[in-house]
Amino acid sequence: QLQLQESGPGLVKPSETLSLTCTVSDGSISTGPYYWGWIRQPPGKGLEWIGTISYTGTAYYNPSLRSRVVLSVDTSKRQFSLKLSSVTAADTAVYYCARQRVSGRPGVAAAEPDNWGQGTLVTVSS
Amino acid sequence: DIQMTQSPSSLSASVGDRVTITCRASQSISTYLSWFQQKPGKAPKLLIYAASSMQSGVPSRFSGSGSGTDFTLTITSLQPEDFATYYCQQSYSSTLTFGGGTKVEI
Repeated sequence: QLQLQESGPGLVKPSETLSLTCTVSDGSISTGPYYWGWIRQPPGKGLEWIGTISYTGTAYYNPSLRSRVVLSVDTSKRQFSLKLSSVTAADTAVYYCARQRVSGRPGVAAAEPDNWGQGTLVTVSS
Repeated sequence: DIQMTQSPSSLSASVGDRVTITCRASQSISTYLSWFQQKPGKAPKLLIYAASSMQSGVPSRFSGSGSGTDFTLTITSLQPEDFATYYCQQSYSSTLTFGGGTKVEI
């Protein structure tokens, strides 16, 4: 059974960089046809897609966050990672990693997340 | 970005009720629409993809329909474990977007 687990600091200071890693167990991150994504949810609010990466390292970002986000993947460790720079209180959220299916739509890489990590709360505060 | 609007934002229902949740896209998204269930403190769970295809292991009381801009999630005979928040999500655009959620409560 595929499992995803987020890890990283639960508290980040304003203007610093938020760094999270997702470890994929019971399955290979290189096994297709899947992509690997990050989604966040501010407390009491809805879901926001952050970005998606393929096992080859091709990344796709939400335009609203593109200037501050970098995704990376390490297939040997079965991990993919998120870095979000210049954080503010508005970046306080539960961050989820997820496996995403390949889209059937031409020009679109990834589709719905079908397996999610449990999520990790990251608070931005001094 | 494609905006996804769900209605209602919340509803009260009883065990055994038939519940319908609506999701409207700001432009046509064909059938690139998924539905998720989220319980408090838990990650969302995929219920429906491609507007009407049921994810493995999801009870048959859940069904999805629609295409273009208007979609519905129907729960026939609501069960106690179905009280949760439901989200729609489009994957027509490379920028994935979610609806604001519908909270189903007693």
